[in-house]
Amino acid sequence: GQQLNQSPQSMFIQEGEDVSMNCTSSSIFNTWLWYKQDPGEGPVLLIALYKAGELTSNGRLTAQFGITRKDSFLNISASIPSDVGIYFCAGRSRAGGGADGLTFGKGTHLIIQP
Amino acid sequence: EAGVAQSPRYKIIEKRQSVASWCNPISGHATLYWYQQILGQGPKLLIQFQNNGVVDDSQLPKDRFSAERLKGVDSTLKIQPAKLEDSAVYLCASSLELAGYNEQFFGPGTRLTVL
Repeated sequence: GQQLNQSPQSMFIQEGEDVSMNCTSSSIFNTWLWYKQDPGEGPVLLIALYKAGELTSNGRLTAQFGITRKDSFLNISASIPSDVGIYFCAGRSRAGGGADGLTFGKGTHLIIQP
Repeated sequence: EAGVAQSPRYKIIEKRQSVASWCNPISGHATLYWYQQILGQGPKLLIQFQNNGVVDDSQLPKDRFSAERLKGVDSTLKIQPAKLEDSAVYLCASSLELAGYNEQFFGPGTRLTVL
């Protein structure tokens, strides 16, 4: 089955620093998504990317859909304490019959030291 | 608008017992998904419904897992009998429809511990 390789697994940074994480796949996806999950909660959608090469921003977050459709990155600028959490990349490829469940990476655990 | 509702939030059972998790999707969302999230992993799709029909259940362990969405709104995921390796968070998600740029919104999950 499809697998997503997400890195780094964890990041320890100082408040105010920029953060970068990425995801690669052996398969092509039609859509790349980035979610954030806080403890005890479900994932919350941050950014959705629909076209190869697309670069999209959402406040301090910027994400890109790789040209090969097999990778994506997420950048967070000027990190703040509430950015702490686990970030997941997810890919979607619409199969026959409308199946479009997401394939997730293993997550990047972001820890911010004040 | 109200989000995806799930209950119970937490459940502890012994192996070989049965358990059920209930999900109420966002109003008007035709597509519903169940995911399993094992500690330290990303969510993994178990089953996808479109209204009351199954679209994809290829990753559902059908010998012990079952799910239904009889009236095309809320859904129940059942495990019987449970095994130790079923300890995980079971997440329900919904989206407006299959076509177009309709993204999935997740509920808080049912955190299951099998002893």
